[in-house]
Amino acid sequence: AQTVTQSQPEMSVQEAETVTLSCTYDTSESDYYLFWYKQPPSRQMILVIRQEAYKQQNATENRFSVNFQKAAKSFSLKISDSQLGDAAMYFCAYRSPNFGNEKLTFGTGTRLTIIP
Amino acid sequence: DGGITQSPKYLFRKEGQNVTLSCEQNLNHDAMYWYRQDPGQGLRLIYYSQIVNDFQKGDIAEGYSVSREKKESFPLTVTSAQKNPTAFYLCASSIAGFGQSYEQYFGPGTRLTVT
Repeated sequence: AQTVTQSQPEMSVQEAETVTLSCTYDTSESDYYLFWYKQPPSRQMILVIRQEAYKQQNATENRFSVNFQKAAKSFSLKISDSQLGDAAMYFCAYRSPNFGNEKLTFGTGTRLTIIP
Repeated sequence: DGGITQSPKYLFRKEGQNVTLSCEQNLNHDAMYWYRQDPGQGLRLIYYSQIVNDFQKGDIAEGYSVSREKKESFPLTVTSAQKNPTAFYLCASSIAGFGQSYEQYFGPGTRLTVT
């Protein structure tokens, strides 16, 4: 079974600075998908960014980018130019590519605080 | 607007009562999921369904039941057999397909409190 580990329960960053959230995972599959979801105080889960394991290029979405290290099974999220609206819980998630097994396995989350 | 609705937002029940949480989507997604969220534990999968009239147990299915009679609806029943039912419950849906990184879209959640 796959496992996802987020070792930083809480992080804080000054507004406009850069912060990196860590995520490691364990799997025996060679192909898979990784996601970062954001959960603001409203508790609505919002997809931030996704990465296909077969792609060597790191995904980027505006101020959000990932550092995907397949050999190390590491998938960190970098938030540049942090804004007050980035304050939320961030969850890393793993998904198998196999049809019928598309469930997400989540880490325990990192609470990000933005300091004005 | 397309999306997922969950009702009610807050639900209170007495211990020993069954309760059903609603989840409806108009995204035309084949797959639907139920997750439970507890403090410090992230989200854990309860049940999922890839197609109408079919569903599979997730990691923590004991004490829960589901049905999938319509593509748009995937209600979750929390039975009296669930030992710790108080939690935040999230419903999600996605396109079902092999080899694609389809994202799961989430509803706003239902906070269930059992006393």
